[in-house]
Amino acid sequence: AQSVTQLGSHVSVSEGALVLLRCNYSSSVPPYLFWYVQYPNQGLQLLLKYTSAATLVKGINGFEAEFKKSETSFHLTKPSAHMSDAAEYFCAVSQGGNTPLVFGKGTRLSVIA
Amino acid sequence: EAGVAQSPRYKIIEKRQSVAFWCNPISGHATLYWYQQILGQGPKLLIQFQNNGVVDDSQLPKDRFSAERLKGVDSTLKIQPAKLEDSAVYLCASSLGTGSGYTFGSGTRLTVV
Repeated sequence: AQSVTQLGSHVSVSEGALVLLRCNYSSSVPPYLFWYVQYPNQGLQLLLKYTSAATLVKGINGFEAEFKKSETSFHLTKPSAHMSDAAEYFCAVSQGGNTPLVFGKGTRLSVIA
Repeated sequence: EAGVAQSPRYKIIEKRQSVAFWCNPISGHATLYWYQQILGQGPKLLIQFQNNGVVDDSQLPKDRFSAERLKGVDSTLKIQPAKLEDSAVYLCASSLGTGSGYTFGSGTRLTVV
């Protein structure tokens, strides 16, 4: 069975500061890993995905994540937070093919001016 | 390309009433998923379709929830009778089945009073 653990239900950073959202996964097979962002009253938007290619994945809006097999982690980072980054972020894992995504509980990011 | 369409966006019903949600996936996407997202939690899979067949409905409360995907395109999710704990956002997603892309609709926010 697959699972995802997101450490910290709420993260608060100052505008311009580094954003680090943590995600650890559990999977019996090589995982496909995803980060999604959800703005209030909206659906899920894909930020980036890891599908067994390069371990450092660059996504939209300046976000990136690094797949570390030894640590079973896929943490999301952004060098400089912007007010518009305030949202809920979800890490998800799948086994590839048409297997469904399994989501973490989410981390709410607040950006302070 | 057009995204995943869902309707209605919002629905308020009384407990014990019935409700139905509609989803139109991206053209050509054979796999369709319904997720339930309770406030403050990550999305949880309810049911997965491959074309018009059910792949996984193990987490669907079948005593009150039903879903169908006639002709392998549009899908409807029904709740009858609704309970207070069914208040959530119901998200529809579709994919090509390669494991690398899942597109979500904007969701239907259900409030049961």
